[in-house]
Order: sequence, then C-alpha cells, then structure tokens
Amino acid sequence: SAVISQKPSRDICQRGTSLTIQCQVDSQVTMMFWYRQQPGQSLTLIATANQGSEATYESGFVIDKFPISRPNLTFSTLTVSNMSPEDSSIYLCSVDLGQSYEQYFGPGTRLTVT
Amino acid sequence: DQQVKQNSPSLSVQEGRISILNCDYTNSMFDYFLWYKKYPAEGPTFLISISSIKDKNEDGRFTVFLNKSAKHLSLHIVPSQPGDSAVYFCAASDRDDKIIFGKGTRLHILP
Repeated sequence: SAVISQKPSRDICQRGTSLTIQCQVDSQVTMMFWYRQQPGQSLTLIATANQGSEATYESGFVIDKFPISRPNLTFSTLTVSNMSPEDSSIYLCSVDLGQSYEQYFGPGTRLTVT
Repeated sequence: DQQVKQNSPSLSVQEGRISILNCDYTNSMFDYFLWYKKYPAEGPTFLISISSIKDKNEDGRFTVFLNKSAKHLSLHIVPSQPGDSAVYFCAASDRDDKIIFGKGTRLHILP
C-alpha cells in the first residue's frame, strides 16, 4: 500500500477565488488520480495525472477549471478555479501502484464555497 | 447513466449477524470489481476485490460474490462488528486503469 497525505484537510472559500490542493505520496508512483465526491454522490473521477505528460480529463471536467500539476512521481496538485457553491465537495487524490487494479486514497479535502 | 448502482443508501444490521451489501452494474466490459470502506473524514480504503473469472473471493470476515449473468455482486460481512459501521462503495474497472464507483451504502451495526 501507500501513505498519502493531502493539504489542506478542509477549507472554506469565497466564490470567485481559487484553491490549490496538494497530494503527497510516500513512494514513487506513475499514476495518480483526482476525484470529487459531492454530497450524497459517488466518487467521480476528475482526471488522471501521470508524471511527464498532460493530465487526462474526464467528460465534464476541463483544464481551465481544474488545472493539475504533476512535477514528480510523489506529488501532484489540483486547483479548483473561480469557485462557485456547486464546487463544494470532498476532493480526493489516489494512486495506482501498478500491481493490480486497486487504488489507494488520500484522506480528502473538504471544500466549502460560500 | 450510472454504470455501478448501489440501490440501498443505508442498511442496519445487528452486531454478530451477517451484513449483505448489494451492487449491480450495467457495463458488461467490467472485469474487475472492488469494495471500498469509508469512515467519516477519511479517504476510502480498499477492502476486497474479485476478478470476473471468479465467482467468489474470501478474506477473513469478508466475502464477495459475483454473478456475471445477473451483473450483480454482493459483499458479505460475517459476523458484523461495531467497527464495520461505515460507508461501503462498490466499484468496477474495465482494464483502462479507471475505477467507476457506486454511490455507496451506509452500514450501521446495531449493538
């Protein structure tokens, strides 16, 4: 498994501002993922972030709204830009260790936009 | 359109009894299925998985059953313990490294 940390753990932001969420892994991993979990909903994949290439976004998510950086094999950031109350969610990063299909998740960042 | 469905938002089970969580899927290309457990303020943790070439996988108190013809899987927890109270997510993958999650079932273990 892997130990994954996220910062911040929670934040309350005003609409129109941006927040950058950090994800740190204790080992080198090729594939990292960013998810969103809106209240009462399932985990929805935002994008896949592989080191050395542009992030791949899922349908409904765009780079201008959710820019992602992946500077090395242990770190990634997700920015939620120009926030609105609809962006209030839990944002989670996860990693695939390449051994099987299991992904390991960070503790999540609870974002509230007022 | 939800590809992975967990139709029971919540389930209450007496401590010591069997908990059965159900999951249905629509995509016949899914070939690997996973269950995750999530406590409040924590990320989901991997619990157990099953490949489509099997119909059962067991790990201690946890057993997952897969019925491919019905596109249905279930997670059995026996005996249920207080620490099992959590939200359980069913998930599926079709080998493209992406996992599709259901909405989750909140399990309450009653004393």
